[in-house]
Amino acid sequence: QSALTQPASVSGSPGQSITISCTGTSSDVGGFNYVSWYQQHPGKAPKLMISDVNNRPAGVSNRFSGSKSGNTASLTISGLQAEDEAEYYCSSYRRSNTLVVFGGGTKVTVL
Amino acid sequence: QVQLLESGPRLVKPSETLSLTCSVSGGSISSKYWAWIRQPPGKGLEWIGYIYYSGSANYNPSLESRVTMSVDTSKNQFSLKLSSVTAADTAVYYCARGPLHIATPGTWWFDPWRQGTLVTVSS
Repeated sequence: QSALTQPASVSGSPGQSITISCTGTSSDVGGFNYVSWYQQHPGKAPKLMISDVNNRPAGVSNRFSGSKSGNTASLTISGLQAEDEAEYYCSSYRRSNTLVVFGGGTKVTVL
Repeated sequence: QVQLLESGPRLVKPSETLSLTCSVSGGSISSKYWAWIRQPPGKGLEWIGYIYYSGSANYNPSLESRVTMSVDTSKNQFSLKLSSVTAADTAVYYCARGPLHIATPGTWWFDPWRQGTLVTVSS
């Protein structure tokens, strides 16, 4: 049971937009703007895609965007491309002795 | 551009101590936070802990009794020790920078991540 809840899978056709949700509590996602998103291709290390809810690091495509409403953060991928097929994880600071929590991951499939 | 390189045994016997080192190149280890995160085969990510270059560390409460992290500024390296390992500790272990960033206060993220080392616990 992961600390943050993500859908197991999301799919879309090339060119479409998809959104991945990440639900936590007021002690983590809802209480702080410290949500980050990571993309992981099979056999590779996770790559930072979005930091602090909606900041896109240099080099990350502007097709990736983040947002938050209440205790749920979201990652939107617009103009879906084959290369976007990967596992996506959210993470947040948690106000407790746990400090860092991850979601269970969402498998994105490009149809 | 900071780069990380992991080293350490890929096979550890049950009840022994897992030891990994992450070498930092392309930048100084000083004034930064460094983390260890693991991923059991086919499963999600689990935060192990993070350490400031000064040696101050925070650990995942679920692993705290068995984890020790340290920093060697003279070698630009930081290390992980996990004692009394069992098969449940078999995982890919990643080192990464973060989650706090002195250069950008009020931010919280892990980047970059090293490729990762599969450590298998088996006799």
